[in-house]
Parts: sequence; C-alpha cells; structure tokens
Amino acid sequence: NAGVTQTPKFQVLKTGQSMTLQCAQDMNHEYMSWYRQDPGMGLRLIHYSVGAGITDQGEVPNGYNVSRSTTEDFPLRLLSAAPSQTSVYFCASSRDSSATNEKLFFGSGTQLSVL
Amino acid sequence: DAKTTQPNSMESNEEEPVHLPCNHSTISGTDYIHWYRQLPSQGPEYVIHGLTSNVNNRMASLAIAEDRKSSTLILHRATLRDAAVYYCILSPLHSGTYKYIFGTGTRLKVLA
Repeated sequence: NAGVTQTPKFQVLKTGQSMTLQCAQDMNHEYMSWYRQDPGMGLRLIHYSVGAGITDQGEVPNGYNVSRSTTEDFPLRLLSAAPSQTSVYFCASSRDSSATNEKLFFGSGTQLSVL
Repeated sequence: DAKTTQPNSMESNEEEPVHLPCNHSTISGTDYIHWYRQLPSQGPEYVIHGLTSNVNNRMASLAIAEDRKSSTLILHRATLRDAAVYYCILSPLHSGTYKYIFGTGTRLKVLA
C-alpha cells in the first residue's frame, strides 16, 4: 500500500526560485493538506482541500499556492522561494474532512532548504 | 479552540510501561482526544483516539480522566522503536481534520 507519497524527499533552492512539491494519495481520500515543521516546533497547517476543486488557507498560507484538480493529487507551489521557507513539509490526507474522529495519514516529508 | 499541555520530554527504560500525560482542562463535551506520534525523520502516525471511555489497540492504551480534563497514553512495554515525539490533539465536533492542531508534543527517550 503506497498511502501518501511525497516527492522529492530533499530539495535545495536559491532565493527567488520557484518549485512544486508533489503529494499523491491512493486511498480515495476526500481531505488533503500541507503542513510545515520547523526545528523544535509543531506542525503548522499551510493549505488544505476538502475535495477536488476546493481549497482553503490554513495558519501560514503566505508564499504558497495550491490546487486540487483530482482527488489523488495536491501539489504545493512556492512561487518565489525565501529562506524563511526552509522547513520540512508534510502532506496529509483523511477519508472524510468533516468527521471529528478521522485518522490523518501523513507522507514521509520533503526537506526543503532555501539559500 | 481547546488547547493541550504536555511535558516537553520524558525518559523510560526499555520494556517498562510508559505513561504520557496530557492536560486539556478547557475540553468541551464533544471534543475527541487523539494521539499521534512522530518517529525520527518520518511524518506523524496515528496512535489512538477516544471520547469518554478508555480505549485499547495494538499500539497503546488511552486512559481518559472521568472529568475529561486530562488523559494518559500508555505504552505497556516500551521498546527502542517507541522513541518518538508524541502529540495529544483535541478535535472539536464538526470541525474536521483541518482543525487538528499539533503542538510541540512530548519527546520520549527510551533507554536500553
């Protein structure tokens, strides 16, 4: 079972470059989201989606764009990378976005460094 | 949203039980209590969740205080593979998984 797959695992960017972090899930989950985790801190929600064509902002959305054209994929775009975006990024999904007792399934993360 | 308070770190000896506490004094009657853990260099993974009654699964047990203002995650026999950061999370009714707030958690160190 693949679950939630993130690519790439590591990425180094120069300030001002753009890139897309990929996230795919094969569980037909309705809900998908992106978190970032900085050293010594918990996970902070960047953007989330409750279904294809529907996205919304989380706690720290500035500098990131998302779209959800299919149920399976939820890419995260950095339009102009900044050193403050150096972090580990996690994608997560769950079956039902509206239930309170759903399990979140996480990918293994992307380590991004912006120089 | 109701918040949780956990110790920053704990230590345990291998093969001994571990009790990881979580305080949530402002919990409302319909909030679920969830626990996740994050192994080194991995994403968080689900451990257990409950509402009012104690819960058991193959990974752990969840003991919920009668007034629900605190809960304890119990690992019955800690192994070196249980060394991780453990997060206690509340999920309000009708809020969905996008309202899961991951604090800094408790870093569990297991001593051989």
